[in-house]
Amino acid sequence: GQNIDQPTEMTATEGAIVQINCTYQTSGFNGLFWYQQHAGEAPTFLSYNVLDGLEEKGRFSSFLSRSKGYSYLLLKELQMKDSASYLCAVNNAGNMLTFGGGTRLMVKP
Amino acid sequence: KAGVTQTPRYLIKTRGQQVTLSCSPISGHRSVSWYQQTPGQGLQFLFEYFSETQRNKGNFPGRFSGRQFSNSRSEMNVSTLELGDSALYLCASSLAPGGQGPQHFGDGTRLSIL
Repeated sequence: GQNIDQPTEMTATEGAIVQINCTYQTSGFNGLFWYQQHAGEAPTFLSYNVLDGLEEKGRFSSFLSRSKGYSYLLLKELQMKDSASYLCAVNNAGNMLTFGGGTRLMVKP
Repeated sequence: KAGVTQTPRYLIKTRGQQVTLSCSPISGHRSVSWYQQTPGQGLQFLFEYFSETQRNKGNFPGRFSGRQFSNSRSEMNVSTLELGDSALYLCASSLAPGGQGPQHFGDGTRLSIL
């Protein structure tokens, strides 16, 4: 079966750095996505990792280790508007996206 | 460039009825995927269509069906509605099929079953 684990909730302070972890066990692997979803809104694409290593995009970075079945999303210089749910999704061998339950991040002043 | 458009935004139905939801993808996108999102289960994959063919199907009963038209617009149908079908139904489009690239989501249709 497909199993993707993320922490349910995290809290961080404005201006700080936060790391959201995602571990996965899937039948095959063809890439990992991170999405951001504000309450009541659609998910929006943040990053895509298919090879091991770090992908940096402004304040957001995403890391992947395929051998460990592990990824993290790093958010730097946190802003209040970063309060949202962050969804990890894996594209498995059947080219089907499986989403984790999401991590609800609360940024406090 | 217009984003993914889903209609209607809100829908209230009663048990036993059927419903059809519509999704217009971003222009040029031929892949359309449907998801069900609930607080308890998160985002769950329903099915994906590419060039009018269903490529993949998630673990949902046969009451959930869909189709895609030649202009890539897609519809999703749920028959014999149950209380547990209350959810946000999201549609996502992409250039490439099968999760090979980023998906762009619509704002969803919030379906409430009374």
